[in-house]
Amino acid sequence: DIQMTQSPSTLSASVGDRVTITCRASQSISSWLAWYQQKPGKAPKLLIYKASSLESGVPSRFSGSGSGTEFTLTISSLQPDDFATYYCQQYNSYSPGLTFGGGTKVEIK
Amino acid sequence: EVQLVESGGGLIQPGGSLRLSCAASGFTVSSNYMSWVRQAPGKGLEWVSVIYSGGSTYYADSVKGRFTISRDNSKNTLYLQMNSLRAEDTAVYYCARDTAMAHWGQGTLVTVSS
Repeated sequence: DIQMTQSPSTLSASVGDRVTITCRASQSISSWLAWYQQKPGKAPKLLIYKASSLESGVPSRFSGSGSGTEFTLTISSLQPDDFATYYCQQYNSYSPGLTFGGGTKVEIK
Repeated sequence: EVQLVESGGGLIQPGGSLRLSCAASGFTVSSNYMSWVRQAPGKGLEWVSVIYSGGSTYYADSVKGRFTISRDNSKNTLYLQMNSLRAEDTAVYYCARDTAMAHWGQGTLVTVSS
């Protein structure tokens, strides 16, 4: 099974900061990676799919990059609405499981 | 408009069984990959199971042999049959559409406790 490792687990930042979250896969997943934002008591929201494609309606300050085993989610200028927990998820077509990373909580500094 | 509505959660004793339902509207369940994802209190997301459009099913190791995913095409509904429930199965269970999950239900809470 493919394992997904996210870092850091917690991140303290201020409004306006550039924020980067990293996700590593235990084996190559090509570009089959998604990023989600989750707020307390709510279902996750898809931000990025296929590593770098922005989901419709998601602000352009969110971007994704990477392929193979190393991926990043970048928030170019952190906004008050962005304080939340972020998860990566692999959906490699050659591995039937759909694995999530452990999550990164973005907190107010 | 795509909508997913879960139901069937509740309090169940260890060793018991429960069936979750996910009623879909705005799209056809049988034409999509459909997953169950759970989240234990204060913990991260854990993928549980997926059913492909062709009918193939896959499970996380933690539930293999105890949980069964299925769908009823006539009702456009996804199910998760959960047997031999354990305390560690306590979580909010979400259904979601596709492998990059753009659509999620609101979740249903399953509590396994005596």
